[in-house]
Amino acid sequence: NAGVMQNPRHLVRRRGQEARLRCSPMKGHSHVYWYRQLPEEGLKFMVYLQKENIIDESGMPKERFSAEFPKEGPSILRIQQVVRGDSAAYFCASSPTKQQNTEAFFGQGTRLTVV
Amino acid sequence: AQSVTQLDSHVSVSEGTPVLLRCNYSSSYSPSLFWYVQHPNKGLQLLLKYTSAATLVKGINGFEAEFKKSETSFHLTKPSAHMSDAAEYFCVVSDNQGGKLIFGQGTELSVKP
Repeated sequence: NAGVMQNPRHLVRRRGQEARLRCSPMKGHSHVYWYRQLPEEGLKFMVYLQKENIIDESGMPKERFSAEFPKEGPSILRIQQVVRGDSAAYFCASSPTKQQNTEAFFGQGTRLTVV
Repeated sequence: AQSVTQLDSHVSVSEGTPVLLRCNYSSSYSPSLFWYVQHPNKGLQLLLKYTSAATLVKGINGFEAEFKKSETSFHLTKPSAHMSDAAEYFCVVSDNQGGKLIFGQGTELSVKP
């Protein structure tokens, strides 16, 4: 059973371009969470999705950021018109149920660098 | 609202000596608490979790943590540090309403030979 797979591992974008980050949850997991880690900081929650539904997007910036988790395929975190401040590590986690007591399994992360 | 505070941003110990990483939490509910470890440029690995069963929780690699409700603490300990323990450690509380995780700022553990 493969773990949570994120790709790409590293992504370099010029200011103004779009960044697409992909996350394939563990098999059997229907709950996906995205977190952002800025340099020297802990992880900050961005969005929680269940298949085809956004459950909680309270941590998402109001503009340029969007996320989806389609019925088929990976979850996508999309950042439009990237700026330098978007440079960070983006982690995806999945769980079989709403997290609470359940361990969330994390991917290796995508490290986005905006130049 | 739930939150966690890690009291030390950096801890340095010598190999073979005890490790103590401190964490205090704030929660309106009976919390679920976790410790995760992150090695450089790697993902996060769960060390242990507290879910209202035993207050002393044993995890992987010899780590353990004790839930103390009266002190709202969940400190992480290990009797004897190993070089491979050098990493970033995160104390985490689960939002029991929505399921998301709330991370502390992290404590960087250095282990000297």
